[in-house]
Amino acid sequence: DTGVSQNPRHKITKRGQNVTFRCDPISEHNRLYWYRQTLGQGPEFLTYFQNEAQLEKSRLLSDRFSAERPKGSFSTLEIQRTEQGDSAMYLCASTPPPRERSSYEQYFGPGTRLTVT
Amino acid sequence: DAKTTQPTSMDCAEGRAANLPCNHSTISGNEYVYWYRQIHSQGPQYIIHGLKNNETNEMASLIITEDRKSSTLILPHATLRDTAVYYCIVRPRFGNEKLTFGTGTRLTIIP
Repeated sequence: DTGVSQNPRHKITKRGQNVTFRCDPISEHNRLYWYRQTLGQGPEFLTYFQNEAQLEKSRLLSDRFSAERPKGSFSTLEIQRTEQGDSAMYLCASTPPPRERSSYEQYFGPGTRLTVT
Repeated sequence: DAKTTQPTSMDCAEGRAANLPCNHSTISGNEYVYWYRQIHSQGPQYIIHGLKNNETNEMASLIITEDRKSSTLILPHATLRDTAVYYCIVRPRFGNEKLTFGTGTRLTIIP
């Protein structure tokens, strides 16, 4: 257990529904990342926050995806009008500020597995 | 980020050293080599990283060639719990925060 928690751990939804996932990073980690992982592939970067500011978004993050980190602590990832191709593991990671010794390391949560039927 | 090439899969006997190679021939001077692993149904876990010198920690050793075009992760005494997918990633120390994962090497430790 890295200390990064994600909820729910599993989500099954019907195509066209909206879903929202939550990530709680390690306390005082100011940087937070979202990744998506499909079967047999490595994780793919989606987006990155430093405190509450969203600093980078992948082209994978279509307009149906939105991520927020309103108070610089927990983050949410919402997918609107889900499609079967959205079925994947959604991973969250966090990193402490650059002055910390372990600032080079991303601490990953256990992920949320989404199945769109 | 520089691209990495790893074997798709490897086996290693329990108790022996597991040597996982990685090629990163286009690595640039400010890029570090990172290794993460992902045990089934878990998030990736940081193992080790290095720039040009060999590195060792409680989990593993990292050997980087002098030209920095390849590296080897060494698990000195592999256990069944080391069965996982191992990812070699090249990343700048600052400026580019994301990790770019490939498909990694699936390491199976055999009893």
